[in-house]
Amino acid sequence: ETGVTQTPRHLVMGMTNKKSLKCEQHLGHNAMYWYKQSAKKPLELMFVYSLEERVENNSVPSRFSPECPNSSHLFLHLHTLQPEDSALYLCASSQDMVGTSDEQFFGPGTRLTVL
Amino acid sequence: GQNIDQPTEMTATEGAIVQINCTYQTSGFNGLFWYQQHAGEAPTFLSYNVLDGLEEKGRFSSFLSRSKGYSYLLLKELQMKDSASYLCAVMSKEYGNKLVFGAGTILRVKS
Repeated sequence: ETGVTQTPRHLVMGMTNKKSLKCEQHLGHNAMYWYKQSAKKPLELMFVYSLEERVENNSVPSRFSPECPNSSHLFLHLHTLQPEDSALYLCASSQDMVGTSDEQFFGPGTRLTVL
Repeated sequence: GQNIDQPTEMTATEGAIVQINCTYQTSGFNGLFWYQQHAGEAPTFLSYNVLDGLEEKGRFSSFLSRSKGYSYLLLKELQMKDSASYLCAVMSKEYGNKLVFGAGTILRVKS
């Protein structure tokens, strides 16, 4: 595997379910990100981790809970979501945290549908 | 993203040249990125500008004017595979040096 991978690619869940999204980067990067992409809206940054420490939480509701056990893996735990949370969730990584010209490498995303 | 504007959609003909504009308003500007995103796929990096002027990379070029808060992405010799969404993203001290994205421009290339 190369680059940034995400599983699952598609997820349908009810509002009372608990599920987790997984992201893995094989690039040796130090920073990882979660973004939300809704239809016809800009990419929204949710969380930033640098060297496994959370450095950014963009006022995201507590029903989204990130976890970064090591610099290669990032999880997004989901519980009691709302239908408006349906979106494409993208993971990205970069060599170092933003503030530099380091480009971000994106995974293919998880298409989440909340019923 | 806040104060980052791009046209919603554009259509161009195969073989032609198209220019996608992006305007922004921010303080402490630290760079502007362009990404390409095909439907159902991950965004991929195209270019980065931090100084005024034109950066050329094959068929794609990106221009920046910091005083005008303006950038454009120029695509030459358009191919059908260039049909995609093009995302402008700005990094600045105002945004905590995180990337803030515009809503993207959907480009349709017709034969």
